[in-house]
Amino acid sequence: DQQVKQNSPSLSVQEGRISILNCDYTNSMFDYFLWYKKYPAEGPTFLISISSIKDKNEDGRFTVFLNKSAKHLSLHIVPSQPGDSAVYFCAASENNAGNNRKLIWGLGTSLAVNP
Amino acid sequence: DGGITQSPKYLFRKEGQNVTLSCEQNLNHDAMYWYRQDPGQGLRLIYYSQIVNDFQKGDIAEGYSVSREKKESFPLTVTSAQKNPTAFYLCASSADTDTQYFGPGTRLTVL
Repeated sequence: DQQVKQNSPSLSVQEGRISILNCDYTNSMFDYFLWYKKYPAEGPTFLISISSIKDKNEDGRFTVFLNKSAKHLSLHIVPSQPGDSAVYFCAASENNAGNNRKLIWGLGTSLAVNP
Repeated sequence: DGGITQSPKYLFRKEGQNVTLSCEQNLNHDAMYWYRQDPGQGLRLIYYSQIVNDFQKGDIAEGYSVSREKKESFPLTVTSAQKNPTAFYLCASSADTDTQYFGPGTRLTVL
């Protein structure tokens, strides 16, 4: 069962507009969330993260919003640029008693930014 | 400069042969991870290691083996027992935070 869900496999936006990528999770023990960007045949690149004690984190054109009550987070890209076209992965980490923290990944959303 | 390297970028092997994928990092990270990605799918965890000389199975460890004899290196062996070895393999490392940093990946094709 997918604990981290990205329900939109793809998204298309116009250059200069806002891109909003969504992610839902089911495990209330997740306490840290990350977004990665991936180009074909390359490794994912870390974009931005947010701790569960916050509801917003901003870094340049990228902002992540966390709604813990809804178990939902979103990545906003403003303004969108053609170079942002890639697959975006949402990932979450669980606060457990052991030391074996690992990331739980969504299936990704493919973003196309059209000139 | 610091980073994670995976070699080679493309690898071809005949069915039934074992093959070892290299992953090296000079970031002084304690933890290292191996994932595979198949077309249209997310990242699936094969093995991970939190510290030298210790490693744990991930979600799809069958048909794979790893070693962690040095902090910098975490090689992955794809054995002949792996039923569908053709995939894109990704190695990552992390410090004591959750953020993982990835290498460029190795595309393995079994003929």
